[in-house]
Amino acid sequence: DQQVKQNSPSLSVQEGRISILNCDYTNSMFDYFLWYKKYPAEGPTFLISISSIKDKNEDGRFTVFLNKSAKHLSLHIVPSQPGDSAVYFCAARRGNSGNTPLVFGKGTRLSVIA
Amino acid sequence: DAGVIQSPRHEVTEMGQEVTLRCKPISGHDYLFWYRQTMMRGLELLIYFNNNVPIDDSGMPEDRFSAKMPNASFSTLKIQPSEPRDSAVYFCASSARGALHFGNGTRLTVT
Repeated sequence: DQQVKQNSPSLSVQEGRISILNCDYTNSMFDYFLWYKKYPAEGPTFLISISSIKDKNEDGRFTVFLNKSAKHLSLHIVPSQPGDSAVYFCAARRGNSGNTPLVFGKGTRLSVIA
Repeated sequence: DAGVIQSPRHEVTEMGQEVTLRCKPISGHDYLFWYRQTMMRGLELLIYFNNNVPIDDSGMPEDRFSAKMPNASFSTLKIQPSEPRDSAVYFCASSARGALHFGNGTRLTVT
């Protein structure tokens, strides 16, 4: 039973346009959410996070939006660049202390076309 | 900072053989996690440790899997005997608080 769902296995976007990656979760106890980026033959690397007390967090070209009532979050990348081509994992946990492990979605493969 | 170090990077073995995957976490991190990545299930947690003590091993698929953390700088994941369905990429990750830091993984192929 997937508690974190990324329903789009892949996404293609033109360079310079916006990329929107979506994620849904079912466990209402989750209160901290993260996005990870993964290149081939490498481990996932942390990209951006958001606490449930916020509805938006921005870091440069990357913005994460959280809609708690819908149990939905999204990652926006503006403008998209070819180097953003990777697999993006949505993850969630209860709390931000590291006491509980991250639950991951299956990932969305983003291809940014030049 | 060397990051999380995993070895080997690739392992090819025959069904029935024992496989040992190794991980060195980031110094000072008190949590260590083992994840497995497959196409069907994505990234799934197998087991995690806090201060070298296993906290939750409910994700370990079968008794064929075992994990140890004898000290703060080393952990192993062992599969004995290995089966073709164990073929996957196995990631180790460590954290102090907040985000996990992943190693580059071990790609295991069991023929």
